[in-house]
Amino acid sequence: GQNIDQPTEMTATEGAIVQINCTYQTSGFNGLFWYQQHAGEAPTFLSYNVLDGLEEKGRFSSFLSRSKGYSYLLLKELQMKDSASYLCAVSNNSGSARQLTFGSGTQLTVLP
Amino acid sequence: SQTIHQWPATLVQPVGSPLSLECTVEGTSNPNLYWYRQAAGRGLQLLFYSVGIGQISSEVPQNLSASRPQDRQFILSSKKLLLSDSGFYLCAWSGTGPSYLKQYFGPGTRLTVT
Repeated sequence: GQNIDQPTEMTATEGAIVQINCTYQTSGFNGLFWYQQHAGEAPTFLSYNVLDGLEEKGRFSSFLSRSKGYSYLLLKELQMKDSASYLCAVSNNSGSARQLTFGSGTQLTVLP
Repeated sequence: SQTIHQWPATLVQPVGSPLSLECTVEGTSNPNLYWYRQAAGRGLQLLFYSVGIGQISSEVPQNLSASRPQDRQFILSSKKLLLSDSGFYLCAWSGTGPSYLKQYFGPGTRLTVT
């Protein structure tokens, strides 16, 4: 099976930097995804890591270490609209490579 | 560009009643299709996925079923709803090319079983 852990809640201040961690245990790792989900809405894709290292996309960056089973999502210059749930998801090759297993999400609150 | 639609947006149904949720995708062919459920304050639980017409894989035993009568149509059904079926139902699609792992979600259906 797979196990994905991420903090339940985080709070940060507008303009600051926040790092949301995700640890996972899986066999046949095939990639790690981060999604953003605002309350009552569908998740939207943020980033995808399949190799070790940092992927930067504007204010958001995502890091992966496959040997440690660890990823983080880094949000810079926080804005009020960044208040949302951030979901870590892992794809692996067991069963079907088309499946993603999601963590429970980290609810980020950005304060003025 | 590709778009994904779900309806209805919200639904309130009594226990024991049937259910039919529909999902359609536009702008792509032969997508992989998925049904997820999200209980309040929790992560996404994969219910079904499909790699082609008439091909359905179930991930969680339950009183729900799925069908794919057309290439870009995915339907979630139940003959008799339970209280525990309440939740936010999300349909998603992914392509079959190099980025086939990336999933795109529809707007969701919020189901309340009373």
